[in-house]
Amino acid sequence: GQQVMQIPQYQHVQEGEDFTTYCNSSTTLSNIQWYKQRPGGHPVFLIQLVKSGEVKKQKRLTFQFGEAKKNSSLHITATQTTDVGTYFCAGHKTGANNLFFGTGTRLTVIP
Amino acid sequence: DAMVIQNPRYQVTQFGKPVTLSCSQTLNHNVMYWYQQKSSQAPKLLFHYYDKDFNNEADTPDNFQSRRPNTSFCFLDIRSPGLGDAAMYLCATSRATVAGTDTQYFGPGTRLTVL
Repeated sequence: GQQVMQIPQYQHVQEGEDFTTYCNSSTTLSNIQWYKQRPGGHPVFLIQLVKSGEVKKQKRLTFQFGEAKKNSSLHITATQTTDVGTYFCAGHKTGANNLFFGTGTRLTVIP
Repeated sequence: DAMVIQNPRYQVTQFGKPVTLSCSQTLNHNVMYWYQQKSSQAPKLLFHYYDKDFNNEADTPDNFQSRRPNTSFCFLDIRSPGLGDAAMYLCATSRATVAGTDTQYFGPGTRLTVL
């Protein structure tokens, strides 16, 4: 069945350090979405990537979609305490309405 | 503001006592989803409605049922909650224009405790 894995599962960084989470799917995806879930909160949409090799930036966040559309990454430059939370990738298979969520990476930022 | 609303935010029930969780949306989205999320895990899709069409995930237990009486409302019924059903239940909506390319908007969730 469809599997979307993320590494690492947990990451602790000092404030100001960079952070990267990697997302790998067992099958080709039509798109990849990234969500952030704060502790005690619900997932909030960050961005969607559709094209093979696509790169998008949101301020300190850089998102990439792999050439084969089976992997993705999220990079945060100079982390801040407000970046704390769990980052999930999620992908659609072509023609499907449901998202397959990755296993998530929980980021802790130490002030 | 357009949003996804879930009630109640916290629900306590007894082992085996039926419980209903509700979700409403003002986004006029045609797809509504129910997810179960346990601590430190990813949201797990239980089922979704595409308009009135119900789509059950293969591994969703029969204990979980859903109703969507109209576009705005969707309910999750747990017929006989077990201790393993204690979790956060998230409702989400999306607008399906081109299938598989829509963003999901999540409600705040209902945290279910089973005693």
